Amino acid sequence: NAGVTQTPKFRILKIGQSMTLQCAQDMNHNYMYWYRQDPGMGLKLIYYSVGAGITDKGEVPNGYNVSRSTTEDFPLRLELAAPSQTSVYFCASRGLAPNNEQFFGPGTRLTVL
Amino acid sequence: AQTVTQSQPEMSVQEAETVTLSCTYDTSENNYYLFWYKQPPSRQMILVIRQEAYKQQNATENRFSVNFQKAAKSFSLKISDSQLGDTAMYFCAFMSPQGGSEKLVFGKGTKLTVNP
Repeated sequence: NAGVTQTPKFRILKIGQSMTLQCAQDMNHNYMYWYRQDPGMGLKLIYYSVGAGITDKGEVPNGYNVSRSTTEDFPLRLELAAPSQTSVYFCASRGLAPNNEQFFGPGTRLTVL
Repeated sequence: AQTVTQSQPEMSVQEAETVTLSCTYDTSENNYYLFWYKQPPSRQMILVIRQEAYKQQNATENRFSVNFQKAAKSFSLKISDSQLGDTAMYFCAFMSPQGGSEKLVFGKGTKLTVNP
């Protein structure tokens, strides 16, 4: 199993550009999450999904969109990138039981200039 | 809304000694889960230990153990026989099964340095 994979690992965007961060998991997990981690801070939830076709907003959704057409994939779309979106982005997935570990991807470091 | 507070931004410990990282949380719920995650310089988030609130017994995983005080809403992590590889950011996290998302709420983290 590859676990949770994220692409790209690094990206530099210009203000106003758009991009999609890719996330895939091969563990057949229902729950998937996108977090952002700003310097010196913990992770904050952007969007989450409890299954294919179902998504909902987290704590900091503004400027982002998601879709979940399959169990495996959960892409995060940035429209009109802004410097405030400079951060490290983590995707995570989890099985059904509440105490199940959330498995994290390696992260994407995004810089908006 | 639940909040998680880690009051120690940075800590250091000598190799082979014991260190305790503090975490407090705020919730009105009775059923929930608590986690400690480790983030080494590689940036990968790694689960260290978990605790179910309905269990009175403190969780242990090899050199890692917790002191879970439900009434005080405290969840500290003890690392025994510290090793250089324990150098990392440590995040305390809270999860409630209510509400549907079962999302993790993270503290700001404690940067632990293990000195040789």
